[in-house]
Amino acid sequence: DGGITQSPKYLFRKEGQNVTLSCEQNLNHDAMYWYRQDPGQGLRLIYYSQIVNDFQKGDIAEGYSVSREKKESFPLTVTSAQKNPTAFYLCASSMSGLAGLQETQYFGPGTRLLVL
Amino acid sequence: SQELEQSPQSLIVQEGKNLTINCTSSKTLYGLYWYKQKYGEGLIFLMMLQKGGEEKSHEKITAKLDEKKQQSSLHITASQPSHAGIYLCGAIGETSGSRLTFGEGTQLTVNP
Repeated sequence: DGGITQSPKYLFRKEGQNVTLSCEQNLNHDAMYWYRQDPGQGLRLIYYSQIVNDFQKGDIAEGYSVSREKKESFPLTVTSAQKNPTAFYLCASSMSGLAGLQETQYFGPGTRLLVL
Repeated sequence: SQELEQSPQSLIVQEGKNLTINCTSSKTLYGLYWYKQKYGEGLIFLMMLQKGGEEKSHEKITAKLDEKKQQSSLHITASQPSHAGIYLCGAIGETSGSRLTFGEGTQLTVNP
């Protein structure tokens, strides 16, 4: 089955700790995205990548880092600099991510991050 | 930047009733997406609208984009408990490239 997988489903972070959320897709999509969702709010874009070894900051990139070493993988690291990391994190992908094509973004099942 | 406002924020209906959710943009819409989300899960793509006046249907869900391309409505006919969840609209603006801006979502509860 083609799709997007995220792991783990739940993640706990201690003070001062960096944690990494996994996102893998086998849709052969070029573009991948990370969003954060807080209760009662819509999704906010953290980072996105349109091609391997390249990525851009979204609206709330501070305290987060990403890498894109492989087309199918786009891990997100929540660093200790992110002071309010408790949220639901969603990964998405689309065919090319090019402007003007109005492609559909497909989403993974999400990872809930909680602070101990 | 583009902002999307959804109304209502929450909605409780009796099974079998019709309902409408609205999504209003502060700027012209170049692509409007509707997604559904069950609590604690990912987003499921429902429909995408592009042209002013466009209307699309899937099973009992119909979405429209108005002629001026600044508002979309999502209508559910004869609602069922399986329709319950959070409905989110997402939009691409003129200068946002492939980036989507999302509304805050509408929480739908369908009572049997």
